[in-house]
Amino acid sequence: GAGVSQSPSNKVTEKGKDVELRCDPISGHTALYWYRQRLGQGLEFLIYFQGNSAPDKSGLPSDRFSAERTGESVSTLTIQRTQQEDSAVYLCASSLVWGAHTEAFFGQGTRLTVV
Amino acid sequence: AQSVTQLDSQVPVFEEAPVELRCNYSSSVSVYLFWYVQYPNQGLQLLLKYLSGSTLVKGINGFEAEFNKSQTSFHLRKPSVHISDTAEYFCAVSESSGNTGKLIFGQGTTLQVKP
Repeated sequence: GAGVSQSPSNKVTEKGKDVELRCDPISGHTALYWYRQRLGQGLEFLIYFQGNSAPDKSGLPSDRFSAERTGESVSTLTIQRTQQEDSAVYLCASSLVWGAHTEAFFGQGTRLTVV
Repeated sequence: AQSVTQLDSQVPVFEEAPVELRCNYSSSVSVYLFWYVQYPNQGLQLLLKYLSGSTLVKGINGFEAEFNKSQTSFHLRKPSVHISDTAEYFCAVSESSGNTGKLIFGQGTTLQVKP
């Protein structure tokens, strides 16, 4: 597709279960970002991948959160032992090259609800 | 560290009226500044960005923003809004000397354009 694709679009899970969220970046984009948007709040940076460099994990809120990316393709964000405070919209973005000046293209997000 | 404050959570305005959405930032280093828009049921889309040069930046859909370094502000303006401008608007910064495109977002402003 032409844009960043995220799946599922909605996910309801029980507290304590693990979830996996998927992001397909725009083809050829070397940088990939995950953000979280809680209700009524701005976007929080979670993690950043750039090519084969070590990811910037500085935004991950706890060790229950992890993410992987294979090369310059798909990324998965995994949340283990979900808690109610994990309920949020998880947004993925990709950009053509790394750098603070480059435009990030966002997916429509995965709305996660933990019950 | 950087932070972004969007001073208004909601801005109601009548169609064809002018609008200003306010954004202030805090940073100990030089930053790039961005405005993103999120239309209902869509992903975030870049409206405009300030990297360097002229402090008045023009973006898509008739929006413009002015970078004011002394006031650490980057307010977004449009002289005449349309119903279709109803959306969530996010101000964001990134560290200009950094080698990532990690964005720090404000909490967002909902623009409600009334007929």
